[in-house]
Amino acid sequence: GNSVTQMEGPVTLSEEAFLTINCTYTATGYPSLFWYVQYPGEGLQLLLKATKADDKGSNKGFEATYRKETTSFHLEKGSVQVSDSAVYFCALSDIGGSTLGRLYFGRGTQLTVWP
Amino acid sequence: KAGVTQTPRYLIKTRGQQVTLSCSPISGHRSVSWYQQTPGQGLQFLFEYFSETQRNKGNFPGRFSGRQFSNSRSEMNVSTLELGDSALYLCASSPDRITYEQYFGPGTRLTVT
Repeated sequence: GNSVTQMEGPVTLSEEAFLTINCTYTATGYPSLFWYVQYPGEGLQLLLKATKADDKGSNKGFEATYRKETTSFHLEKGSVQVSDSAVYFCALSDIGGSTLGRLYFGRGTQLTVWP
Repeated sequence: KAGVTQTPRYLIKTRGQQVTLSCSPISGHRSVSWYQQTPGQGLQFLFEYFSETQRNKGNFPGRFSGRQFSNSRSEMNVSTLELGDSALYLCASSPDRITYEQYFGPGTRLTVT
């Protein structure tokens, strides 16, 4: 079946530190991969995506590369800011058969950035 | 374009009651999915609607139901509420069933007492 495993944290960093949040997946077909971010009291916002192997998604300084050989999609940012404090979710979408129309999520990683 | 909207944003109900939540997708989006978010279980898929038909369903009891209207707006209903139904209910829309990403609304926070 389809599943996503991500480091649950919490992750606490100082401003301008380097961020990595690990995400690995299991999929039966050819998934697309996503990172979503959730700020307190809000819904999920799409941060970046990659639809095929070796694609790199990027947005707002965040990057993630779709690695099929290691079934991974790790999120990175070179210099975090206090405003990046949020919960980050790794997710996959698999277009095979009965799994259309749904996303599979990891458990989320709470990131706190201190000034 | 306006984003996904959900009403109400907050709701308090008593055990045994029923509740209806509403979702308006992004204009032009035809697929609507619902998710339940709790601290213990994380994000769990409830169901997906496309062209007024339920196309996919998660592992939830029959107390959870939904529908979609011809304008793509969707409602979900929970009958005979239990304390464990307290959660953030998120609606997400997508243009179709081929586009992979989904766009989420702010959610409805349901508290069952």
